[in-house]
Amino acid sequence: AQTVTQSQPEMSVQEAETVTLSCTYDTSENNYYLFWYKQPPSRQMILVIRQEAYKQQNATENRFSVNFQKAAKSFSLKISDSQLGDTAMYFCAFLKLGGSNYKLTFGKGTLLTVNP
Amino acid sequence: DAGVTQSPTHLIKTRGQQVTLRCSPKSGHDTVSWYQQALGQGPQFIFQYYEEEERQRGNFPDRFSGHQFPNYSSELNVNALLLGDSALYLCASSLGQGIYEQYFGPGTRLTVT
Repeated sequence: AQTVTQSQPEMSVQEAETVTLSCTYDTSENNYYLFWYKQPPSRQMILVIRQEAYKQQNATENRFSVNFQKAAKSFSLKISDSQLGDTAMYFCAFLKLGGSNYKLTFGKGTLLTVNP
Repeated sequence: DAGVTQSPTHLIKTRGQQVTLRCSPKSGHDTVSWYQQALGQGPQFIFQYYEEEERQRGNFPDRFSGHQFPNYSSELNVNALLLGDSALYLCASSLGQGIYEQYFGPGTRLTVT
């Protein structure tokens, strides 16, 4: 079974600064996807970014980028130029590819607060 | 482009009762997954429906059941409610053939008293 660990329950950052959220995972699989989801107080879970395990290049989406270290099983999220609207719970999630598995496995989340 | 919708938004039930939650997938999606998110925790997978059948199930008791209709919408039913069933229930939709990205609805907050 796969596990996802987010070791930072809470983090804070000043507006316009950069923050990095950590995620590690445990799996014996070789083919999988990793995701970061954002859940603001409105509760809607929003996909931020995804990374295919077979790709060595780190994914980037505007101010959001990841540092994917497959051997270390690490998948951190960097948010640049933080904005007040980035305040939310952030969840790291793992999806094994192939076979009959279709479920996302989530970490416990990191609460990020962006301060003005 | 309509996103994933869920109803109701909030629900209060008494122990032992039964509840039905509803989900309409994002336009063009044919697969629906249900997750339970307890307070302060990440979502836990309940089950997934594709082509009107349960395709995969997580570690939840048989009190949790579901259904998918021909229009791809879905229902989650929970029988004999327990206090521990109080949680946010999230529905996510995806494409059966390209299931790597799941899009979530706003959730239904269930409180069992």
